[in-house]
Amino acid sequence: EAGVAQSPRYKIIEKRQSVAFWCNPISGHATLYWYQQILGQGPKLLIQFQNNGVVDDSQLPKDRFSAERLKGVDSTLKIQPAKLEDSAVYLCASSSTRGGPSTDTQYFGPGTRLTVL
Amino acid sequence: DQQVKQNSPSLSVQEGRISILNCDYTNSMFDYFLWYKKYPAEGPTFLISISSIKDKNEDGRFTVFLNKSAKHLSLHIVPSQPGDSAVYFCAAVEGGTSYGKLTFGQGTILTVHP
Repeated sequence: EAGVAQSPRYKIIEKRQSVAFWCNPISGHATLYWYQQILGQGPKLLIQFQNNGVVDDSQLPKDRFSAERLKGVDSTLKIQPAKLEDSAVYLCASSSTRGGPSTDTQYFGPGTRLTVL
Repeated sequence: DQQVKQNSPSLSVQEGRISILNCDYTNSMFDYFLWYKKYPAEGPTFLISISSIKDKNEDGRFTVFLNKSAKHLSLHIVPSQPGDSAVYFCAAVEGGTSYGKLTFGQGTILTVHP
């Protein structure tokens, strides 16, 4: 079974530029998550999709971050414009249902490391 | 507001000995707890979990203990192996409408020396 795919793996941009990340979840997984992991911290949930609908985006900085999941499969996360504090690893995860966590293990992709100069 | 805390940034143990990683939480609504393991340049992978109705869960060399009154959980690895060297994250899930949303601690870097 193929895992969660993410691209690009690394991205370096200057502040005020735009950037987009792509995620392809495990086939058949209905729930997709985007996390931000700043160096020295644990991952923080930015947005959660159930199929192509948003379940939770309470921690997404909506003035500059946007995300979409077309057709309930792939997802893109965009930052426009980027700030220095956006430097982090952006992790995508997927799970099979939104049911109980005992059956809702989240599988993570390798992440995209973003550096904003 | 750090709801899940791992106060030890790093831990070093000898191969064959026990590794004990600790985690504290403040949110009494958390009802499910997980440990994830992360190697460099990879995403976190699920290791073991425990429900708040239990105080212990075991899977091979890995055991998680939960002390609800102290809002504390720990992960025991016995015996420790060099391949266990990684960053370990404690995570918690709040029951109800936040079901499935993981709140992570800062992580503990475990180094197992041969």
